[in-house]
Amino acid sequence: SQQGEEDPQALSIQEGENATMNCSYKTSINNLQWYRQNSGRGLVHLILIRSNEREKHSGRLRVTLDTSKKSSSLLITASRAADTASYFCATDGHDYKLSFGAGTTVTVRA
Amino acid sequence: DAGVIQSPRHEVTEMGQEVTLRCKPISGHNSLFWYRQTMMRGLELLIYFNNNVPIDDSGMPEDRFSAKMPNASFSTLKIQPSEPRDSAVYFCASRPSGAYEQYFGPGTRLTVT
Repeated sequence: SQQGEEDPQALSIQEGENATMNCSYKTSINNLQWYRQNSGRGLVHLILIRSNEREKHSGRLRVTLDTSKKSSSLLITASRAADTASYFCATDGHDYKLSFGAGTTVTVRA
Repeated sequence: DAGVIQSPRHEVTEMGQEVTLRCKPISGHNSLFWYRQTMMRGLELLIYFNNNVPIDDSGMPEDRFSAKMPNASFSTLKIQPSEPRDSAVYFCASRPSGAYEQYFGPGTRLTVT
């Protein structure tokens, strides 16, 4: 069963704009990860945030984690056409197994 | 640097036939995961191996599904007999010891008619 739920399901933005997507989960976690999936490809790991961290940056990506609300957000700044993909949050619940959400489909218009 | 390798990339078979999907994890990674992705159910973990030993197969849908990892560089997922509802994209992922992130293969798109 899926632990995480992403919101929104789909997002369409203009190139150069920021894209924000959210993830909510239900149970205690060790860490939360974000993955990207381009159409017809496998998932690619983007960023990991541990349960004792509140914010993390990697290039144009910014991830926040609020364990009291059991939620996380992924911000992609200055979006590019190449950012068009589906984005998934995945929770690691202390057992090394990942539970993936349904994903947010992001379309960046040129 | 070779990533996770899966074969075949596409498989079309008839209901009742046996299907075998193959995976070669990244060298040095000691954990291997099989996932299934469908529009209806999203990405589901089927089975997880650590050091070639199956640790958790609670996601395997039924006895028609079996997975093996005879050595550190090879794993198979077998469906016998296959059914139309098995149509999905099957991913293999590997993970190095001590790390949390997983590295996914390109997937095998299975169509059962």
